[in-house]
Order: sequence, then structure tokens, then C-alpha cells
Amino acid sequence: AQSVTQPDIHITVSEGASLELRCNYSYGATPYLFWYVQSPGQGLQLLLKYFSGDTLVQGIKGFEAEFKRSQSSFNLRKPSVHWSDAAEYFCAVGRSNDYKLSFGAGTTVTVRA
Amino acid sequence: NAGVTQTPKFQVLKTGQSMTLQCAQDMNHEYMSWYRQDPGMGLRLIHYSVGAGITDQGEVPNGYNVSRSTTEDFPLRLLSAAPSQTSVYFCASKPLKGHEQYFGPGTRLTVT
Repeated sequence: AQSVTQPDIHITVSEGASLELRCNYSYGATPYLFWYVQSPGQGLQLLLKYFSGDTLVQGIKGFEAEFKRSQSSFNLRKPSVHWSDAAEYFCAVGRSNDYKLSFGAGTTVTVRA
Repeated sequence: NAGVTQTPKFQVLKTGQSMTLQCAQDMNHEYMSWYRQDPGMGLRLIHYSVGAGITDQGEVPNGYNVSRSTTEDFPLRLLSAAPSQTSVYFCASKPLKGHEQYFGPGTRLTVT
């Protein structure tokens, strides 16, 4: 079985400050990794994905994430947050031997002026 | 190319009523799936299908039925709605050999 852990339920950050959201997974082989963002009342938008290759991946809206196999982590970062980044963020993990996607519980980001 | 579409966007049901949530995709994807989203629990897989005529259960299948008669459509049926099924439902699809799933806009269901 695989599981995805997002240790932080809620993070508050000042506008212009940096942001890091944590994601840890448990899976024996190399997983497929995703970060999604959901604004209130909206659907899911894919921020970035990792399948293989360079472990630092760039996404949309200035986000990046780094895959660290030794730590089973795929943390999301943004150097300078904007008020529009207030949303809920989900980490998701897919396996190579089936089609299922497992999601973390999500981290809600609040941006203060 | 509309991607993944879901209808309705909102629905209110009374306990015991039945209804079908519709999902369609125009990308010729073999794999389709249904998730429910509840606060603090992320998205959980209800049912999935790897092609027409093939369906299987996910993590939380109880109370839901699915069928896949065409590649394009994957409806989710609630036979007797319960308040515990109040949730936001997302449909997704992907090519069988691909890794990225494409999500629909969601259906917000309330069961009173």
C-alpha cells in the first residue's frame, strides 16, 4: 500500500515571503509525483509533476518542487508568495504498476498582507 | 476539445433518493476514475475503469455503482443517498500508458 503525508494542515505566510509545503510518501519503487492547487470552490489545477530525470521540477505560477528519494519527499516551494496563492494544496502519488493516484490530506495556505 | 466534463455542478438530494453523476471525456482516454473530496481527507478513489466494460473498486466504493459502456462516459450512481455521501465528487481520466490524470470541475452533492 502507499500513503501520502502532508504534515502541515494549515500554513500562514506573509505576502512576499517564501513558502515551503511538505510531502512525504511511502512506496517501494520510484513513484510518479504531483502537486495540485485548489482555490475555494474550484477544481484541481496541476502545478507540477515528476516522473523521472532532474529531481528539481519547475511548475506554473512560480512553484518548484524537489524529489528526494532518500527522504521519500517531494516538497513544494515558492520564493515569494502572492495573495492569489491562498488556496489548498494537495500532493499526490501514483505507482508504476497500477493506475491509482493517492492524495495527501492537503495543506491550506493563508496569505496575510 | 472540452477535456473532462461533469454534470451537474451542484445537487441536493434527500436521504434515500437516487441519482447519477455524469462524467464525459473527449480525449479518448482508456482510464477513468471517480474521487470524493472531504475536508481533511484529500481525495479518495471510489471506482475506476481501464476501458469499456471494465470497472473496479477503489478505496471507498460502498454506496456507489459505476458502469462503462463507452470510452467517453463513466457515470457514477448513488442508489440510495445517505448524508455521509455529502461531498465534492471529481471525475478524472488519463491515457492507459500515461501518468497524468485530467480532472473535471467537480460536482458538489449535499444529502439532507
